[in-house]
Amino acid sequence: SQTIHQWPATLVQPVGSPLSLECTVEGTSNPNLYWYRQAAGRGLQLLFYSVGIGQISSEVPQNLSASRPQDRQFILSSKKLLLSDSGFYLCAWSKGSRATQYFGPGTRLLVL
Amino acid sequence: TQLLEQSPQFLSIQEGENLTVYCNSSSVFSSLQWYRQEPGEGPVLLVTVVTGGEVKKLKRLTFQFGDARKDSSLHITAAQPGDTGLYLCAGASGTYKYIFGTGTRLKVLA
Repeated sequence: SQTIHQWPATLVQPVGSPLSLECTVEGTSNPNLYWYRQAAGRGLQLLFYSVGIGQISSEVPQNLSASRPQDRQFILSSKKLLLSDSGFYLCAWSKGSRATQYFGPGTRLLVL
Repeated sequence: TQLLEQSPQFLSIQEGENLTVYCNSSSVFSSLQWYRQEPGEGPVLLVTVVTGGEVKKLKRLTFQFGDARKDSSLHITAAQPGDTGLYLCAGASGTYKYIFGTGTRLKVLA
């Protein structure tokens, strides 16, 4: 069966510090991978998605970037965090086009 | 810009009551998913609907996809405290992207 992992689970960072969140998927190959951000109790905003190694599509201009160095690894980064980067970050995977997404447990980021 | 509006935004009901949550858009989606999310966790898939007019049942939950594939509803019969959570709809947009609804926060009181 497939599983998706995210770490860390919680992160508190000062403004201006760098960020690296990691997401890995097990039990499948060549998945589509996604990064979302969720404001408290609200819907999800798609940040990036990737359909293959080194292929990244950005949905909204922002202070963040994404990379996919390996088939089942997706990384969300920032060089300098802003207060507005605080939120709940979710990674998801799907297989094929228009397929169901499965979500990781999320990372709660607080920028102070 | 494709948007999915959910209503109501918040809902607090007593155990045993019935409720309906709506997910509406002016755009057509090739498929639509419903998720439930607990605080501090990732959303968990409840159902995927693909065909216009499709109705799917999951125990006390009934999901319907609109004939024009622009809207969907989730009906819960005899709600229980375990149904408490954030309900999200998501429409498939294009080949790989998904548009998420604004969310409905449900609280079922014992």
